[in-house]
Amino acid sequence: GENVEQHPSTLSVQEGDSAVIKCTYSDSASNYFPWYKQELGKGPQLIIDIRSNVGEKKDQRIAVTLNKTAKHFSLHITETQPEDSAVYFCAASFSKFYFGSGTKLNVKP
Amino acid sequence: DAMVIQNPRYQVTQFGKPVTLSCSQTLNHNVMYWYQQKSSQAPKLLFHYYDKDFNNEADTPDNFQSRRPNTSFCFLDIRSPGLGDAAMYLCATSRDGTGTSYEQYFGPGTRLTVT
Repeated sequence: GENVEQHPSTLSVQEGDSAVIKCTYSDSASNYFPWYKQELGKGPQLIIDIRSNVGEKKDQRIAVTLNKTAKHFSLHITETQPEDSAVYFCAASFSKFYFGSGTKLNVKP
Repeated sequence: DAMVIQNPRYQVTQFGKPVTLSCSQTLNHNVMYWYQQKSSQAPKLLFHYYDKDFNNEADTPDNFQSRRPNTSFCFLDIRSPGLGDAAMYLCATSRDGTGTSYEQYFGPGTRLTVT
C-alpha cells in the first residue's frame, strides 16, 4: 500500500515569515494530493489540493508543488498569520486517502 | 449551506455500553467515510460506503459497525467500547471514489470518551 511521510512534525515561525511542509509518497499510482488544516477540536478542512497532471497550484497565500518523478509534494504558506496556527495533514490518494502524520504549525505574533 | 453534520459533538459512554454516532450530509455525495483519530495522530479510515456498498478496512475491529439507511445519513455503532476506543470520530463525504480520487469533506467530529 501507499506510505506517506510528512516533515517536520512541528514548525514554529514568526508572523509574516513563510512556512514549508513537505511530504513524500511511495505509490506512483497516487494521483491526488490534498492538504488539510485541522484546528483544535475541529474536523480537517481542505485548504488546497493538486492532481498529478499539474506541477503547481496557488490560492492566495497558499501554494502546493508536486514533483511526480521524485514522489514528493510540498505546502507553502507565505506571510503567515497567527490564525494559520493549526495541524496540517497531507494525503496521497488513488482510490483512498493515505494521510501523513501531521505538522503542528505555530505562528508567533 | 451544504455541509457534513455530526451528532453529538461530545459523547461519553461506559466501558462495554453500546454507542451510536451519527453523520448526515446535505452534499448529496455518493461516498461516506468513517475515520478514527486519536490524539496527535492522522485520521485512520475504518470503513466507507459507496452508495449502499459497504467497504471495511482489513484492520478495523469487529467491534465497529456501520449503517447507511439512505444517501444522507450514516451511523457508526461501537458494540462494546473499550478504553482504547476513546478518540475523535470523523465522518467525511466525497462525490465519488472509484478509480480516481475526489475531494473529501469532513464533519466537525464526535469526541468519544469511555469511562
